[in-house]
Amino acid sequence: DAGVTQSPTHLIKTRGQHVTLRCSPISGHKSVSWYQQVLGQGPQFIFQYYEKEERGRGNFPDRFSARQFPNYSSELNVNALLLGDSALYLCASSASGTAPYNSPLHFGNGTRLTVT
Amino acid sequence: GEDVEQSLFLSVREGDSSVINCTYTDSSSTYLYWYKQEPGAGLQLLTYIFSNMDMKQDQRLTVLLNKKDKHLSLRIADTQTGDSAIYFCGPGRRALTFGSGTRLQVQP
Repeated sequence: DAGVTQSPTHLIKTRGQHVTLRCSPISGHKSVSWYQQVLGQGPQFIFQYYEKEERGRGNFPDRFSARQFPNYSSELNVNALLLGDSALYLCASSASGTAPYNSPLHFGNGTRLTVT
Repeated sequence: GEDVEQSLFLSVREGDSSVINCTYTDSSSTYLYWYKQEPGAGLQLLTYIFSNMDMKQDQRLTVLLNKKDKHLSLRIADTQTGDSAIYFCGPGRRALTFGSGTRLQVQP
């Protein structure tokens, strides 16, 4: 079975531009979460979606937004990119909408975003 | 202090046991997770422990939980060079909370 897949794997953008990152969850998983991992740090929670509804939001500015589609795939959008947005963006899926409370998160390999 | 704290670096010889420690502040987690991250990759789920357990063994991995002290540890028996990676503990109720992780270096 395929794991969590993310695209693209790498991306270079200029300050002020906008970016869209994509994620396909493990088959049968209905929940998708997004995390940002800055170099040298652990991942930080951005969003969780379950059944197309936002279930949780981390401490990120409104420039960050996301959505989930009927097939449970998800997009993360970031507007007005800043240099500090350079990071590895990780998507994770889970079977439960209340993960990680009662169900583990399974991560993809991430999208490496570089903002110049 | 930080929500999750881990030692930044651990070096062991191949064949020895490795113990990676984690302290956390949020006691509302039902499950506590351990993830492994190799260079250029995402996080791989290694194991997890239910919060009402003290210990869980999973092949070479042993997880110990001291809920009173909010302390979690991961022991890797017979450590191999392929175990070299960054290890993250992840408590969390609505979302996982990670520290900076522990970089494990295994020397042949």
